[in-house]
Order: sequence, then structure tokens, then C-alpha cells
Amino acid sequence: DAGVTQSPTHLIKTRGQQVTLRCSPKSGHDTVSWYQQALGQGPQFIFQYYEEEERQRGNFPDRFSGHQFPNYSSELNVNALLLGDSALYLCASSLGRLKTAFFGQGTRLTVV
Amino acid sequence: GQQLNQSPQSMFIQEGEDVSMNCTSSSIFNTWLWYKQEPGEGPVLLIALYKAGELTSNGRLTAQFGITRKDSFLNISASIPSDVGIYFCAGLPSGTYKYIFGTGTRLKVLA
Repeated sequence: DAGVTQSPTHLIKTRGQQVTLRCSPKSGHDTVSWYQQALGQGPQFIFQYYEEEERQRGNFPDRFSGHQFPNYSSELNVNALLLGDSALYLCASSLGRLKTAFFGQGTRLTVV
Repeated sequence: GQQLNQSPQSMFIQEGEDVSMNCTSSSIFNTWLWYKQEPGEGPVLLIALYKAGELTSNGRLTAQFGITRKDSFLNISASIPSDVGIYFCAGLPSGTYKYIFGTGTRLKVLA
């Protein structure tokens, strides 16, 4: 049973560029949430996707956008990258109302 | 961003000792989750709690959902070196899908 998988594992981008991160949820899960984790802090909620729509959004600017596909996989897009966007980006999947969230290994994004 | 109060922030303990940590909030939560995270990895789910007063164990780990629904506790018994890592609580407020995480407890075990 495959867990949550994210790609790529590491990424280096230049300020102003755009980036796309990908997530495949745990088998059987239909909901994907994205979190940003800065060094030394707990994860911060970016948004959640369910039935291919954004269901809830955290306090992140519109530069952060996402998408969920019919197979429940998801992408996180960040435009106009800032140095402060450097962080570990985590994807979590869950099943409907059960709400227990399982995380992937994360994508380490470095903006230079 | 919003984070829950988690204590202690860090602790050094001797192998074999018991460990206790807790999370508190000013808001009521419907679900509490406890995770362990190691450097460069994603959080790994340890225990999930869904009802006030619930006490759940997973091996040497025991967690409780506070009866006020504003706090949760995690205990680790007879610690071993592989317990080293950062432990996070995460609470789910009523009517939302957004987990709020604690500030983390960094555990170091001295053999």
C-alpha cells in the first residue's frame, strides 16, 4: 500500500521564477492538503482540495495556487518566488470525513 | 501563522525514562493528532484522537484528548534512542479542514 508520495524531493529556484510541486495521495484517499514548513517551525496550512476544488484556504497570497486531478493527485504552484518561500512543502492526504491526515516526505524548496 | 502552545520546547532524557509533553489551545478542537518528524522527512502519524477524554495507546506511546477539548497530552514510556526527533501536535477546529500545529517538542535521548 503506497503512502503519500511527493516530487521532486529537492528543488532550487531563482527569485521571480515559478515552481510546480506534485503529490499522489495514499491509496484510497480523496482529499489532499498542502502545508508549508519553515525551518524550526510547525507546518502551516496552505489549502485543501476535495472533488477537484479548493475547499479551504489558509493565509497565503494568491501566488500560491493548486489543482486536484480526477485521480485525486494534486499540484501546488507558486508564482513569482520570493526568498521567503524557501521551506519544506508537505502534502497530506485523508479520506472524506475521517480527516486523519497522512503526510508525504515533503519537497525542500530553496529560492536563491 | 497560528500555532498551538506545545511544551516543553525541548528535552534531554536518559534512556529508559518516561516522557510527557502537551499542547494547549484557547480554541476547542474536534480532533487531535500527534506526529513525529525526523530531519528532512515528513511528519509520521503516531496517534489520532477523536473524542474528549479519549485515551489511546500505540506501543510505548499513550495520548489523551483533554476533557475541555482545548488540550492534549502525549506520553512515551521507557524511552529508547530511536525516539529522538521532533514531536508535533495538531488540532482540528470545529467546522474547518485546517489542522493547526504546535510549535514542536525536540526530544533527545541520552544512552
